[in-house]
Amino acid sequence: DAGITQSPRHKVTETGTPVTLRCHQTENHRYMYWYRQDPGHGLRLIHYSYGVKDTDKGEVSDGYSVSRSKTEDFLLTLESATSSQTSVYFCAIEDSRRTDTQYFGPGTRLTVL
Amino acid sequence: GQQVMQIPQYQHVQEGEDFTTYCNSSTTLSNIQWYKQRPGGHPVFLIQLVKSGEVKKQKRLTFQFGEAKKNSSLHITATQTTDVGTYFCAGPNAGNMLTFGGGTRLMVKP
Repeated sequence: DAGITQSPRHKVTETGTPVTLRCHQTENHRYMYWYRQDPGHGLRLIHYSYGVKDTDKGEVSDGYSVSRSKTEDFLLTLESATSSQTSVYFCAIEDSRRTDTQYFGPGTRLTVL
Repeated sequence: GQQVMQIPQYQHVQEGEDFTTYCNSSTTLSNIQWYKQRPGGHPVFLIQLVKSGEVKKQKRLTFQFGEAKKNSSLHITATQTTDVGTYFCAGPNAGNMLTFGGGTRLMVKP
């Protein structure tokens, strides 16, 4: 959908290690988002970007940082992973042609042991 | 801040029965959207409603936006096993962000 890919799709890591998740889009959309999804909590926004080098915090940004050096790539970094960051992470873009609607990537399942 | 709530959280139905999920926002919305997430999948955009009182249909799915633009519903007629998944509503927040409801998980018994 909307040319969004995420990598890796699955990752198992240990507490305290750094982790970077990548979101790549091919359609030049301006807005990109990172969400986490946990049972009982629905989708929660971590960070979002409104252009190259323009990012802002979402609802659950503590412990996460992001970078966007190119329009097509939005990186999410866990500087020192904790078990509470075990989750499924989704990247999304806002469809430039239909305000507010979002298209999601396939997700990354991250397990922190 | 803005809150979007959905009920019920879970719904089991027999195949062929109807299903409805309700969405309520704490604030008036400029539009509301619905997404479907299949088990193990990612949320997929279904529809956007913009006008007060708007009703839209997609085959067996009927979407409604309340007159006050603070609530919405999704009704599925004669459910099928392919309808299984979690249905989310979402309303726009400040700064091109969306606030998602907690979702309604639909399970269909064949």
